[in-house]
Amino acid sequence: AQTVTQSQPEMSVQEAETVTLSCTYDTSESDYYLFWYKQPPSRQMILVIRQEAYKQQNATENRFSVNFQKAAKSFSLKISDSQLGDAAMYFCALAGNTPLVFGKGTRLSVIA
Amino acid sequence: SAVISQKPSRDICQRGTSLTIQCQVDSQVTMMFWYRQQPGQSLTLIATANQGSEATYESGFVIDKFPISRPNLTFSTLTVSNMSPEDSSIYLCSVSPLAGGSYYNEQFFGPGTRLTVL
Repeated sequence: AQTVTQSQPEMSVQEAETVTLSCTYDTSESDYYLFWYKQPPSRQMILVIRQEAYKQQNATENRFSVNFQKAAKSFSLKISDSQLGDAAMYFCALAGNTPLVFGKGTRLSVIA
Repeated sequence: SAVISQKPSRDICQRGTSLTIQCQVDSQVTMMFWYRQQPGQSLTLIATANQGSEATYESGFVIDKFPISRPNLTFSTLTVSNMSPEDSSIYLCSVSPLAGGSYYNEQFFGPGTRLTVL
């Protein structure tokens, strides 16, 4: 079975600062994909960033980047220059031989 | 990405009744999924809706409680039957436009339906 663990229920960051959200996962598959989704209060799930397991290079999308450590099965999200609009629930997710499996989420607060 | 709409956006229902949630996608997609998100919780997959065949349900979810239809490549419905207060959740439709291969990939989500059962 595939599992995703997010050990930080809540995090906070000052506006313009950098924050890192942690995620670990477990899978027996050799090919899989990892994702970070954002869910603001509007409840719309928004794909933030995607990482293919076979790629060693860490994915980046503007202010969002990941630190993918395949051997350690770790997939953290770094948000740089945090903005008020970044406040949301962030879910780490894994897809391989099953549809997306989600972690429990991390609620990020951004302090002005 | 795909544009996904759901109807209704929210509803309040009485115990013992049923509600059908509709999911419409602006393009043809191979895979459609239904998730449940209980208050303050993460998303749990209910079932995968396959066009032209029976839906595939995850452990803990049964067809009698959550019947699903998938009449074409752009539309699906989920019915929550014989509701109880424990069914109060957000129900989300999701699609994966990327077909082929034996592995699942990124998914896009509808805005969700917030269901409250009294």
